[in-house]
Amino acid sequence: EVQLVESGGGLVQPGGSLRLSCAASGFTFSSYWMHWVRQAPGKGLVWVSRINSDGSSTSYADSVKGRFTISRDNAKNTLYLQMNSLRAEDTAVYYCARGRGAVADFWGQGTLVTVSS
Amino acid sequence: AIRMTQSPSSFSASTGDRVTITCRASQGISSYLAWYQQKPGKAPKLLIYAASTLQSGVPSRFSGSGSGTDFTLTISCLQSEDFATYYCQQYYSYPPLTFGGGTKVEIK
Repeated sequence: EVQLVESGGGLVQPGGSLRLSCAASGFTFSSYWMHWVRQAPGKGLVWVSRINSDGSSTSYADSVKGRFTISRDNAKNTLYLQMNSLRAEDTAVYYCARGRGAVADFWGQGTLVTVSS
Repeated sequence: AIRMTQSPSSFSASTGDRVTITCRASQGISSYLAWYQQKPGKAPKLLIYAASTLQSGVPSRFSGSGSGTDFTLTISCLQSEDFATYYCQQYYSYPPLTFGGGTKVEIK
């Protein structure tokens, strides 16, 4: 059974940092792209970042470029999102998703990040 | 970035109804379109990719059509478990991958 379990969310002050993790199981993690997608409270889905299967290629939404870093550890079957210089507008549920290329075919349950003083 | 516009943003329907949701891209995206379903408090679920290919395990009452700039998601006979918000997403040109604003299907 495919499972994606996010962790690391919480309350952080503006300007602070947080690292999200996504533990994968039930599939060959190293064969898939992975994505982060976020959803602000009561709002729609917004793509944040993606990484290819071996971690050699990444891309980001303009709104997080230079502040967020996506990475993966294929030996640990884990995806990460390092978030720095956090802003109030980064408040959202962050989902990791398995990518069949650019299509997110399986999603985790999400972790809530709240940026507030 | 390619902008995806869904219509309507919400509507009410009854079980058994045939419903159609529209998604329009700001430029041609061939058939590089996916549809997702999201229920309150839950993660999105992939329904359709490549505009019309049903994801494994998704009921056949769901179907997708279109290419270029105009796409539709149709539910042939609405069931109680289909009341949810639906999102389209283009993957023709990225970054960024872009989603529509969502269409909420509510119970009449």
